[in-house]
Amino acid sequence: AQSVTQPDIHITVSEGASLELRCNYSYGATPYLFWYVQSPGQGLQLLLKYFSGDTLVQGIKGFEAEFKRSQSSFNLRKPSVHWSDAAEYFCAVGGNDYKLSFGAGTTVTVRA
Amino acid sequence: KAGVTQTPRYLIKTRGQQVTLSCSPISGHRSVSWYQQTPGQGLQFLFEYFSETQRNKGNFPGRFSGRQFSNSRSEMNVSTLELGDSALYLCASSLWGNTEAFFGQGTRLTVV
Repeated sequence: AQSVTQPDIHITVSEGASLELRCNYSYGATPYLFWYVQSPGQGLQLLLKYFSGDTLVQGIKGFEAEFKRSQSSFNLRKPSVHWSDAAEYFCAVGGNDYKLSFGAGTTVTVRA
Repeated sequence: KAGVTQTPRYLIKTRGQQVTLSCSPISGHRSVSWYQQTPGQGLQFLFEYFSETQRNKGNFPGRFSGRQFSNSRSEMNVSTLELGDSALYLCASSLWGNTEAFFGQGTRLTVV
């Protein structure tokens, strides 16, 4: 069975500081990996995706993520956080079964 | 290009009633999937449709059903509503179902 673990429920970061959100997955085959962001009361916005190839992927809003097969991880990073990055972030794994399995999410608070 | 459109955005229903939610995918996308989001259970997969066929279904009771029309628009129905069905219902569309998924704003269902 596929599953995703996001170990950090809540992270507080200062504006301008770097951010790293952790994601570990379990999947029997080659995974497709995603990071989504959700603002309160809104839907999910896709930040970036990994299907194959280069293990460092770039996304929107200055985010990047690195796929490490040996560690079953897909951590999200941003070098310098802006106040508008405050939101909830979800890591997801999918494949050829046409469904996404999501982690529980990490809430990011940005302090001035 | 228009995004995924879900209607209505908000619904209040009484226990025992039934409800139908609608989703219009991005033009050209043939796969539509549905997710339920609650504070306690997080994001859970309901079902996925492609070319009017259900290809995968999550672990939900038979009260939850869906369908897809020839124009790829999808509806989901919940019968005999329970208080625990109160949730944000999210629809996502993708080209083939195992590619990147784009989410709508969701329908907030409150059962009283």
